[in-house]
Amino acid sequence: SQQGEEDPQALSIQEGENATMNCSYKTSINNLQWYRQNSGRGLVHLILIRSNEREKHSGRLRVTLDTSKKSSSLLITASRAADTASYFCATARSDSWGKLQFGAGTQVVVTP
Amino acid sequence: DTAVSQTPKYLVTQMGNDKSIKCEQNLGHDTMYWYKQDSKKFLKIMFSYNNKELIINETVPNRFSPKSPDKAHLNLHINSLELGDSAVYFCASSLAGGPSGGANVLTFGAGSRLTVL
Repeated sequence: SQQGEEDPQALSIQEGENATMNCSYKTSINNLQWYRQNSGRGLVHLILIRSNEREKHSGRLRVTLDTSKKSSSLLITASRAADTASYFCATARSDSWGKLQFGAGTQVVVTP
Repeated sequence: DTAVSQTPKYLVTQMGNDKSIKCEQNLGHDTMYWYKQDSKKFLKIMFSYNNKELIINETVPNRFSPKSPDKAHLNLHINSLELGDSAVYFCASSLAGGPSGGANVLTFGAGSRLTVL
């Protein structure tokens, strides 16, 4: 069954604006990860947040995790045209670390 | 140097044929995976090998058979191809995850787009 579900499915913003996308999941997790996929390419790891962490930053990325609500958010600040991609959350369940489960992603389009 | 490379990048074939996709990683990772991405971009795990041993085998038709000759290679063979097999197949690798290892951050290949006519 699908573990992570991203919201919204698609997001269109202008350069310089912030982009926020959310991920909800169903079971207890060990960690949650965000990946980016450019068109026609493989997924690239962006950031990992562990179940005992609430917030993490990496450059223009900010990730939050609320385990009580089983949800995470990814914020991209000051977006650029190069941020145009699909963004996926992936969860590593506490009882099955090796099985990283992905959602269907949020497609982000940043227009100049 | 490409970290995870898979071939071919594109594969167009007729129903009923048998085809293989090859994957190699030069990262020294212990674990390799095959994921299938459908037309709606949903990514689903198919198989995972750790040091040549099968550790994850999701509900995948028997027509799909992974083979890992060594920990740097994981190939996927598909028999009797069907229209529904059309998808992008991604190979990935990671250090061993779990209580005895670190978090399983995946490095993906560029994907192999399979089209079954």
